[in-house]
Amino acid sequence: DADVTQTPRNRITKTGKRIMLECSQTKGHDRMYWYRQDPGLGLRLIYYSFDVKDINKGEISDGYSVSRQAQAKFSLSLESAIPNQTALYFCATSDLTKQGAGEQFFGPGTRLTVL
Amino acid sequence: GESVGLHLPTLSVQEGDNSIINCAYSNSASDYFIWYKQESGKGPQFIIDIRSNMDKRQGQRVTVLLNKTVKHLSLQIAATQPGDSAVYFCAEIPRDDKIIFGKGTRLHILP
Repeated sequence: DADVTQTPRNRITKTGKRIMLECSQTKGHDRMYWYRQDPGLGLRLIYYSFDVKDINKGEISDGYSVSRQAQAKFSLSLESAIPNQTALYFCATSDLTKQGAGEQFFGPGTRLTVL
Repeated sequence: GESVGLHLPTLSVQEGDNSIINCAYSNSASDYFIWYKQESGKGPQFIIDIRSNMDKRQGQRVTVLLNKTVKHLSLQIAATQPGDSAVYFCAEIPRDDKIIFGKGTRLHILP
């Protein structure tokens, strides 16, 4: 979805390196999310943010940190990358509708390989 | 614990036939359910959703059925086409708003 962009799209790094994945959205949504996807395990939530001052841990936050620099920007950092963090990472956004939580719109993904 | 799962990891369907992808969920308090389609190399894309106060919703060639009694969700795709080949995820959103995804079912279209 062109409204949600992720950079870089692919990254190969070495164990111990610090890595930052960036996400930007033009949808004007307050809510942003970071997921990782591994084969056979589906999408797992790392961190989420319901507004600029709100940051929450997801299911698998250990080894990751996030920064919500603005409504439109949500970055994910791996402070010291390890091989089992090799995965496909997705950013997503959503908004609250009159009926409640709305659908999530996903970015194109970042493929990260940690050697 | 709360979980969203799928009955079949891979489904092969003849082109032109109808496809049915099933999903079980365990949190009876979930308000909102979504089906996503993920094509190779892309992020998940919304297909159709349904709120817990409904049992059926139709879109273009797709229908979602919700059976709250047995906590079952299904996605029906009519007249399956080659472009329907993808991984399909069901997802539930409990009242704390954290979406829970199933592991996905790969739909393979036979010529």
